[in-house]
Amino acid sequence: AQTVTQSQPEMSVQEAETVTLSCTYDTSESDYYLFWYKQPPSRQMILVIRQEAYKQQNATENRFSVNFQKAAKSFSLKISDSQLGDAAMYFCAYRRYSGGGADGLTFGKGTHLIIQP
Amino acid sequence: GAGVSQTPSNKVTEKGKYVELRCDPISGHTALYWYRQSLGQGPEFLIYFQGTGAADDSGLPNDRFFAVRPEGSVSTLKIQRTERGDSAVYLCASSPHSSSGGSYNEQFFGPGTRLTVL
Repeated sequence: AQTVTQSQPEMSVQEAETVTLSCTYDTSESDYYLFWYKQPPSRQMILVIRQEAYKQQNATENRFSVNFQKAAKSFSLKISDSQLGDAAMYFCAYRRYSGGGADGLTFGKGTHLIIQP
Repeated sequence: GAGVSQTPSNKVTEKGKYVELRCDPISGHTALYWYRQSLGQGPEFLIYFQGTGAADDSGLPNDRFFAVRPEGSVSTLKIQRTERGDSAVYLCASSPHSSSGGSYNEQFFGPGTRLTVL
């Protein structure tokens, strides 16, 4: 079974600074997807960024980028120029690369990100 | 367009009662997922529907939990003889489904139903 570990229960960063959230995972699969989701107090999970394991290039979405280290099974999220609206729970998630393209996600326990004004 | 909706937003029940939680997916999405998020934890996969059929129900914790999707759209998660340990936020997600192998389909989440069992 796949597992996802987020070792930082809480992180705090000054507004406009950069913060990195850590995630490690365990799988015997060679092809899979990795995701970072944001969950504000409204409870709605919002996809921040995704990475296909077969791609060597790290994914970027505006101020969000990842550092994907496949051999180390590490997938960290970097948020640049942090904004107050970035405050939320962040979850790392894994999904295997199935033929049907529609498997359930395996989530970590989350990191609570606090933005200090 | 409308996103995934879930009703009720909050549900309080007593131990031993039966509850139903409803999910309305995005129109046209054929895949539907249920997750359970306990306090301080990440969401945990329960069941996945492709159309009307349950393609993977390996995450259902026991036979008190059951889900249906009779017309391939709305889904209902049913919990019998509720226990205090069932208290959690139940999240629903939907995604389009492609028949091409390994294609990526984003899961769009609803706001969840917070279930409290007293």
